[in-house]
Amino acid sequence: DARVTQTPRHKVTEMGQEVTMRCQPILGHNTVFWYRQTMMQGLELLAYFRNRAPLDDSGMPKDRFSAEMPDATLATLKIQPSEPRDSAVYFCASGSPSGGLSYEQYFGPGTRLTVT
Amino acid sequence: GENVEQHPSTLSVQEGDSAVIKCTYSDSASNYFPWYKQELGKGPQLIIDIRSNVGEKKDQRIAVTLNKTAKHFSLHITETQPEDSAVYFCAASRPNTGGFKTIFGAGTRLFVKA
Repeated sequence: DARVTQTPRHKVTEMGQEVTMRCQPILGHNTVFWYRQTMMQGLELLAYFRNRAPLDDSGMPKDRFSAEMPDATLATLKIQPSEPRDSAVYFCASGSPSGGLSYEQYFGPGTRLTVT
Repeated sequence: GENVEQHPSTLSVQEGDSAVIKCTYSDSASNYFPWYKQELGKGPQLIIDIRSNVGEKKDQRIAVTLNKTAKHFSLHITETQPEDSAVYFCAASRPNTGGFKTIFGAGTRLFVKA
């Protein structure tokens, strides 16, 4: 049963600390998305990669957030320094081209981040 | 900018009744419309999708309709069951910088009362 995995599932940290979230996309998927979910803003796209190259990170605060794909099986999202307003659930999703029209995205279970 | 509006925000139905969730989108370049179900503590799960060259699609108790002219699409769940209780998100995707960009609706919290 192929699925997207994310670690850690929960993270509590103090303001100013670095946070690293990891994602393993479904094997064979060439596109990886990072989303943030909050009650106020809903699901927001932060960044996405295709074939490990960043395609769009316009939704990500550049001064503190960074996203990378060191290899095809690992995507990372880092926040440095973290702030209380970063508290949210962060989802990774992966997908593949679907008939050349658009992507089906498969979400991981999320990382619930709390910054105190 | 691009926007997806979803209604209602909360929906309560009796078990066995039908539930309908409606979405509108603003970007005419959108060509793919997925629906996701999110249960508590889990990630959104794709349940059905429709492409812009199709008007309706059905999968057992769920169906989706698309009106491209009006930029409306809807999710229909028939014979609802308590396990259908969850938050449902609609989304609209369009090609973007070599990939695709997806905008999500705000979600509908569905309660199915036994």
